[in-house]
Amino acid sequence: GDSVTQTEGLVTLTEGLPVMLNCTYQTIYSNPFLFWYVQHLNESPRLLLKSFTDNKRTEHQGFHATLHKSSSSFHLQKSSAQLSDSALYYCALSGTYQRFGTGTKLQVVP
Amino acid sequence: ETAVFQTPNYHVTQVGNEVSFNCKQTLGHDTMYWYKQDSKKLLKIMFSYNNKQLIVNETVPRRFSPQSSDKAHLNLRIKSVEPEDSAVYLCASSFLGDQDTQYFGPGTRLLVL
Repeated sequence: GDSVTQTEGLVTLTEGLPVMLNCTYQTIYSNPFLFWYVQHLNESPRLLLKSFTDNKRTEHQGFHATLHKSSSSFHLQKSSAQLSDSALYYCALSGTYQRFGTGTKLQVVP
Repeated sequence: ETAVFQTPNYHVTQVGNEVSFNCKQTLGHDTMYWYKQDSKKLLKIMFSYNNKQLIVNETVPRRFSPQSSDKAHLNLRIKSVEPEDSAVYLCASSFLGDQDTQYFGPGTRLLVL
C-alpha cells in the first residue's frame, strides 16, 4: 500500500546552517501529489508547499522541495535555518486520501 | 472569518463516559476529516465525509462514530472513552480530491482519566 517515510524523530540544527528533511514514498499511482505541512508549537498543521510535477523545484517561505519520481523522494530544504523554523514537519502523499508520514521535529538552536 | 472551527478546545473526562466534539468549516469545502494526533505526534486519519457521505473509514474502534449534518459540519462522538483515547483530535477540510490542500482546525485535546 501507499506509504511515506520521513527522517525519524528530532533534527537539531544551529541557526544559519542548511536544512534538509528527508521524505520518500511508495505509491501505486503514477502521478502522486506530495505535500509538506508544518506544525508549530500549540498550533495545527498548515500547508508549507506541494507538488506533483516531476523534477520541478517548488518554493515557499524560504523552503523548497523537488519531486523526484525516479527516486520517489520529496526532500524539504532551506539554505539557512532560522530559530522560527523550529516546528514539526509532515510529509504527505495523495492517494485514496492524504497519507501523512510520522513527522520530523526540527529544532533550531542559536 | 473563513476557517475551520472546533469545540471544545479541551475536555477532561473519566473512563467510560461519552464525549462529543464539533467541527464547522466556513471555507466552502465539500470534504471534511477527523484525525487523531497522539502523544508521539503521529497523525492518523479516522474518517472522511464528502457532502455528508462517509468516504473514508479507517480502522477505528466502534465506540467512535462520526456524524455530518451538511458539508460544513462534522461531529465526532466517542462512547465509553478509554485511556488510549487521550489525544488531540484534529478536524480538517478540503475540496474533494486527495491532491487538494487540507485546512486544519485548532484541535480538541481530550484527556481521559
